[in-house]
Amino acid sequence: SQQGEEDPQALSIQEGENATMNCSYKTSINNLQWYRQNSGRGLVHLILIRSNEREKHSGRLRVTLDTSKKSSSLLITASRAADTASYFCATGGSNYKLTFGKGTLLTVNP
Amino acid sequence: DGGITQSPKYLFRKEGQNVTLSCEQNLNHDAMYWYRQDPGQGLRLIYYSQIVNDFQKGDIAEGYSVSREKKESFPLTVTSAQKNPTAFYLCASSTWDYVIDADTQYFGPGTRLTVL
Repeated sequence: SQQGEEDPQALSIQEGENATMNCSYKTSINNLQWYRQNSGRGLVHLILIRSNEREKHSGRLRVTLDTSKKSSSLLITASRAADTASYFCATGGSNYKLTFGKGTLLTVNP
Repeated sequence: DGGITQSPKYLFRKEGQNVTLSCEQNLNHDAMYWYRQDPGQGLRLIYYSQIVNDFQKGDIAEGYSVSREKKESFPLTVTSAQKNPTAFYLCASSTWDYVIDADTQYFGPGTRLTVL
């Protein structure tokens, strides 16, 4: 079963704008991760936030985690056309297994 | 995609035939995974293996089989028992990071299987 649910399903913005995607999940987690997938390609890991962390930054990415609300958000600042992709959240427990959501399709228009 | 290869990139199969998808990694990762992705959908776990000669069913294992005879290889066989096999198949690998108490997965480029 898929635990993470991303919102919105699709997002279209102009280059230079910020993009925010949300992820909700149902059970307790050890960590939450965000991945990116360009059309027809494999996924690429972007960032991991542990359950005891509230915010994490990596370049133009900012991830927040609210374990009380069982939700996370991914913010991409100053978006570029090359950021066009699908973005997935994945929840991890105390073992190797990750559970992926259905993803948000982000389109950045030049 | 670095370090994990999947072949072939595109695969066509007639109904009733078994087909094997290849996945090889040179990252020395302990764990390997197979996922299925349908259009506009997320990833669904088929099988995963944490060590050689051991594997576990994921959420949608029916109609699929795997083997893990070598650390670097985790082939997936789509059998004729899989009723709707047309999909994009992704292989991944990972190793546990005890510093952060988590693992991140590295994905191959995928194999697109079409049943004719």
